[in-house]
Amino acid sequence: GAVVSQHPSRVICKSGTSVKIECRSLDFQATTMFWYRQFPKKSLMLMATSNEGSKATYEQGVEKDKFLINHASLTLSTLTVTSAHPEDSSFYICSARDGGTESSPLHFGNGTRLTVT
Amino acid sequence: AQSVSQHNHHVILSEAASLELGCNYSYGGTVNLFWYVQYPGQHLQLLLKYFSGDPLVKGIKGFEAEFIKSKFSFNLRKPSVQWSDTAEYFCAVNDGYSTLTFGKGTMLLVSP
Repeated sequence: GAVVSQHPSRVICKSGTSVKIECRSLDFQATTMFWYRQFPKKSLMLMATSNEGSKATYEQGVEKDKFLINHASLTLSTLTVTSAHPEDSSFYICSARDGGTESSPLHFGNGTRLTVT
Repeated sequence: AQSVSQHNHHVILSEAASLELGCNYSYGGTVNLFWYVQYPGQHLQLLLKYFSGDPLVKGIKGFEAEFIKSKFSFNLRKPSVQWSDTAEYFCAVNDGYSTLTFGKGTMLLVSP
């Protein structure tokens, strides 16, 4: 079945550095991908919607310049956390839509645990 | 490692029928449990969650779920579905520290 690969699964970085998280659709083309963030003991929060070939749509309160999203191809979207700080430590998860319609199935990556020291 | 199993990939119901979507997880420790819903054309939304306390959890739009620890289950229920409940439903679990694990989702189609 369709698989979304998210890499890395865990990353530890120092404060002030940037971290890139990749989200790949392995056997389907994804015109739309979503990036979520989860704080401990809280539910997922949508950060942005990534559309292939165009700018991402960010949710209110999400800093565009801090969380850079690039969806350069139909199988890859990346989230770069720039100048990371300890408060950026969180669990980030992507999902990709298998198909071009709004009712197409949604598949999730396994997430990335980011720890900023 | 945690795993989540959703029993049905597709469910078709008529309006006013009762709904129960199965979710089982494999993890021996304390867990947090979630049901998410994605309506056509919309992003993922939290339907309900269980962290502790009363194992019968009530969520939005008339949904509820019951955590049965002995069965490692967290089934989602609604007494009477509506056409607007047509969506994809995801069960998810984590232990509060490690990665969130999702089930593969159940597509619910409610016919008017």
